[in-house]
Formats: sequence, structure tokens, C-alpha cells
Amino acid sequence: GAGVSQTPSNKVTEKGKYVELRCDPISGHTALYWYRQSLGQGPEFLIYFQGTGAADDSGLPNDRFFAVRPEGSVSTLKIQRTERGDSAVYLCASSLSTSSSPYEQYFGPGTRLTVT
Amino acid sequence: QKEVEQDPGPLSVPEGAIVSLNCTYSNSAFQYFMWYRQYSRKGPELLMYTYSSGNKEDGRFTAQVDKSSKYISLFIRDSQPSDSATYLCAMSSASGGSYIPTFGRGTSLIVHP
Repeated sequence: GAGVSQTPSNKVTEKGKYVELRCDPISGHTALYWYRQSLGQGPEFLIYFQGTGAADDSGLPNDRFFAVRPEGSVSTLKIQRTERGDSAVYLCASSLSTSSSPYEQYFGPGTRLTVT
Repeated sequence: QKEVEQDPGPLSVPEGAIVSLNCTYSNSAFQYFMWYRQYSRKGPELLMYTYSSGNKEDGRFTAQVDKSSKYISLFIRDSQPSDSATYLCAMSSASGGSYIPTFGRGTSLIVHP
């Protein structure tokens, strides 16, 4: 079946611009996670959705970052007034939130964001 | 000090070697331990997961958790060039039911023919 998809695969933007990154989770997965991965580092948690609501947004670095999941499926990560330090790969993951497999997260290929 | 420490490598081994990858951690609340494999320009792929202490084997892969030492390992037997990738350890508690993992920085493995 289809895995997690993310679009665009690459995004180059100028400092100060607004960007939106999209994630399509695996069908039926109610939990959705966003991570940011800088070069040579592991993924860093940003925000977690259970259904339509953000259950934990403690990883968002500041108020320039926002994410939505209005219908409990597709999610969009929004970054305002981008800065060069926002350059990274943004990963999305989804999982079934049953008690037997909540940690089995399936990752998308990521969106490589470059802020010039 | 980071919650999860992992040597970035690179670790270079000949084909057929036994590979040992390790992580240490400081948070005693961690109960779930995972290993992911990440190929270049791809997302991480879950290889194995373990709950609490003990060993788990899956084909050529064995995961070990020693909670008393806060140390986890992944062993790869009969390593193949296709195993060349970055291996990320990750761990989580069940705090609030979210299972949000904390990742190590990954170890780059190169298996040469």
C-alpha cells in the first residue's frame, strides 16, 4: 500500500518568505508527527497530532511555526518569516495509535527546505 | 549532555563482518527502544523495537537493552553492502500516551565488498 508522502520534495525560499509543507499519512493512521532533521543529526520532534487536534506542540521552536490537520488526515506545516536557520529536512511520520504499536512510526521521505 | 548519545562514526567494515552499534541514554523513564535505518535522502525506516530490557532477534539483526546501564545495542550479522546506511537509535516513555521518541544523531555504517 501507499506509504507516507510529502510534498514538495525540495523547497528553496528566500529569507523572510512564508512556506507550507504538506504531509499525506498512511490511510487509517490517526497519529501524525512532524520532525526536523538537520545535517548530521537525528530527527527532532516538532508536533504531534491525534486526529485533528495537536496533542503535543512542545517541539515547535517559536511562534513562526504552525501546523494543522483539519480533517484528521493530511497535515500542513507552516513556517512564517523564514530564517536561514530553518534550513533542514522536515520529516512527517504516521502511526496507528493502538496500545500495541504506538511507537511504530512510518516516515515519509521528507521535504528539504533551503532558506537563502 | 544530550538525553541520547550516539557515536556518529563513520564505521567502516568488510562484507560479512559482525557490526555493533550502540547508544547510551540518561532518562530512566525510557521504556521503548527503537532502531531505525536511514538511507541517504530517505526517511528513517523502523528496523526493530524493544520494550524494557532484554534481547530481540529478527533475522540478521539483534537488539539488546540494558536498562541498568542505560545502554542499548544493535548487532548486524553477516553484514552486506546493502546495509550501508545511517542507523538511528530512538527511545520513548509512554508519557501522556504520545510515545514521542528522542533520537540519537545516528551512526553512519559503510560495508565494503
